[in-house]
Amino acid sequence: AQSVTQLGSHVSVSEGALVLLRCNYSSSVPPYLFWYVQYPNQGLQLLLKYTTGATLVKGINGFEAEFKKSETSFHLTKPSAHMSDAAEYFCAVITGANNLFFGTGTRLTVIP
Amino acid sequence: EAGVAQSPRYKIIEKRQSVAFWCNPISGHATLYWYQQILGQGPKLLIQFQNNGVVDDSQLPKDRFSAERLKGVDSTLKIQPAKLEDSAVYLCASSNSLGGNTEAFFGQGTRLTVV
Repeated sequence: AQSVTQLGSHVSVSEGALVLLRCNYSSSVPPYLFWYVQYPNQGLQLLLKYTTGATLVKGINGFEAEFKKSETSFHLTKPSAHMSDAAEYFCAVITGANNLFFGTGTRLTVIP
Repeated sequence: EAGVAQSPRYKIIEKRQSVAFWCNPISGHATLYWYQQILGQGPKLLIQFQNNGVVDDSQLPKDRFSAERLKGVDSTLKIQPAKLEDSAVYLCASSNSLGGNTEAFFGQGTRLTVV
């Protein structure tokens, strides 16, 4: 069965600092992996996804993630945090039943 | 392009009452999902439709939850009777096909409080 684990329910960074949000997956088949962002009182918005091909995936708002099969990881990064990046971030994987299975989320706080 | 529409945005009910949520997906999207997001947790899939057929409802508490998508377009999720632990945000999402190489678009959700 496919699943994802997000390490760290809360992450705080200073404005301008590197953002690193961790996600590890388990899958018996090549996974499709996603990162979604959720702003307060909003639905989820897709940041980026990995299906096949290039392992470094670039998304919106300057975010990117690298698929590392050897580490079963799909960590989300951004070189320089902005105040507007403060939100909840969810890693997700497509399951064998073709639906999205979400991790528990990481709340990102950006300190001015 | 209009997004996924959900109503109401907020609902407060007493336990044992009934409640219904409505979702209108993006035009042309065949796949529709209902998720339950309890505070502090990730969204959990309740039910997935492909057109008007159910693809997966394995995590739907069928003794109290029901959902339909009769004409393969909009959908209704009902809880009857509600329990305190049903307090959550109910998210609807749609995509234009099954499978991993598609994007699911989410509505803003309905926040349910059961008192």
